[in-house]
Amino acid sequence: GAVVSQHPSWVICKSGTSVKIECRSLDFQATTMFWYRQFPKQSLMLMATSNEGSKATYEQGVEKDKFLINHASLTLSTLTVTSAHPEDSSFYICSATGGLAGALAKNIQYFGAGTRLSVL
Amino acid sequence: KQEVTQIPAALSVPEGENLVLNCSFTDSAIYNLQWFRQDPGKGLTSLLLIQSSQREQTSGRLNASLDKSSGRSTLYIAASQPGDSATYLCAAGSRGSQGNLIFGKGTKLSVKP
Repeated sequence: GAVVSQHPSWVICKSGTSVKIECRSLDFQATTMFWYRQFPKQSLMLMATSNEGSKATYEQGVEKDKFLINHASLTLSTLTVTSAHPEDSSFYICSATGGLAGALAKNIQYFGAGTRLSVL
Repeated sequence: KQEVTQIPAALSVPEGENLVLNCSFTDSAIYNLQWFRQDPGKGLTSLLLIQSSQREQTSGRLNASLDKSSGRSTLYIAASQPGDSATYLCAAGSRGSQGNLIFGKGTKLSVKP
């Protein structure tokens, strides 16, 4: 159980285009989803936290108008990189938490496999 | 602001050796401490999670310890195998949030046959 699916796994796009990344919790309801970004040889950095049905909370320095997050249902969150530029090329990973039985499980984040974005 | 540091950044050992990976964090008010494995170009695989009230967790050849007072956690890998080669990340879960994780930069482990 607790599987998080992320799609696509790899995307190459031209500069100026928008890219949508999907994060789905396949067998549980995710009350909260997190979006991280990882540059080469760097750690994962939290970009934003989203709760189903409400606006996402963005970390300092992350442009909310550039990285649009929608958490329309308890099983799906999307991250749209608008007008992508080469500096947006990175590894984007989502995680989901919440809804599983037991207090312990509520604190665990289950991660997707990540999306590698390359902007030409 | 929580900061997580992992030492060493890279480690190469011969197969069969026991090894220890280190993780330190600056704010001891953590909710939990997690260890993950990341293979090249892949997502994260959760290895062990230690709640703030616990001191260690074990899973197979892996043992993770937590010392909140000193701001340290270690991941012990027994009888290392080439398949253990990966980057190991530790992450501190903060209190008062929805489970925000602060990650270290990782230790890249290479186990040579």
